[in-house]
Amino acid sequence: AQTVTQSQPEMSVQEAETVTLSCTYDTSENNYYLFWYKQPPSRQMILVIRQEAYKQQNATENRFSVNFQKAAKSFSLKISDSQLGDTAMYFCAFMKHGVGAGNMLTFGGGTRLMVKP
Amino acid sequence: SQTIHQWPATLVQPVGSPLSLECTVEGTSNPNLYWYRQAAGRGLQLLFYSVGIGQISSEVPQNLSASRPQDRQFILSSKKLLLSDSGFYLCAWANRQGATFLFRTEAFFGQGTRLTVV
Repeated sequence: AQTVTQSQPEMSVQEAETVTLSCTYDTSENNYYLFWYKQPPSRQMILVIRQEAYKQQNATENRFSVNFQKAAKSFSLKISDSQLGDTAMYFCAFMKHGVGAGNMLTFGGGTRLMVKP
Repeated sequence: SQTIHQWPATLVQPVGSPLSLECTVEGTSNPNLYWYRQAAGRGLQLLFYSVGIGQISSEVPQNLSASRPQDRQFILSSKKLLLSDSGFYLCAWANRQGATFLFRTEAFFGQGTRLTVV
């Protein structure tokens, strides 16, 4: 079974600054996906960024980027130029790869990020 | 484009009453469907998933059940609610994975149902 750990329950950052959210995971799988989801006060789960385990290059999406360290089983999220709208709960999630894998997500406990003006 | 509808958005039910939450997906065929629960201030826990009509897998033994009467319809039910069933319930769908990473996959979530059992 997979486990995902987010060791920072809460974080805060000043607007326009950079913040990094940590995530570690444990798995015996070699092929998998990793995701960061954002959950704003509306509770809607929104995909922020995804990473395929076979890719060595770190994924980037505008102001969001990840630092994927497969050997260390670490998957941190960096948010640059933080904006007030980035205030939300952030969840790291793991999905096994493979036909018949079922596409189930294993989530970490979340990090509550507050962006301060 | 694909959309997912989940209702109701908010529900307050007395202990011992039945429950039915419904989720439908549009714009895709043969999706995998999921019910997740989020307790207050915590992460999401997978409750049920389905890879086809009538095929339900349960991840956590509990007071709830799920059904998939149609390809794009997923229902979460309970015959008698408990106080511990309170929480935020999210329906999600995902395309089935292919044999290679070329097949993009991710989960798309509904807007959730906040259930309070009193």
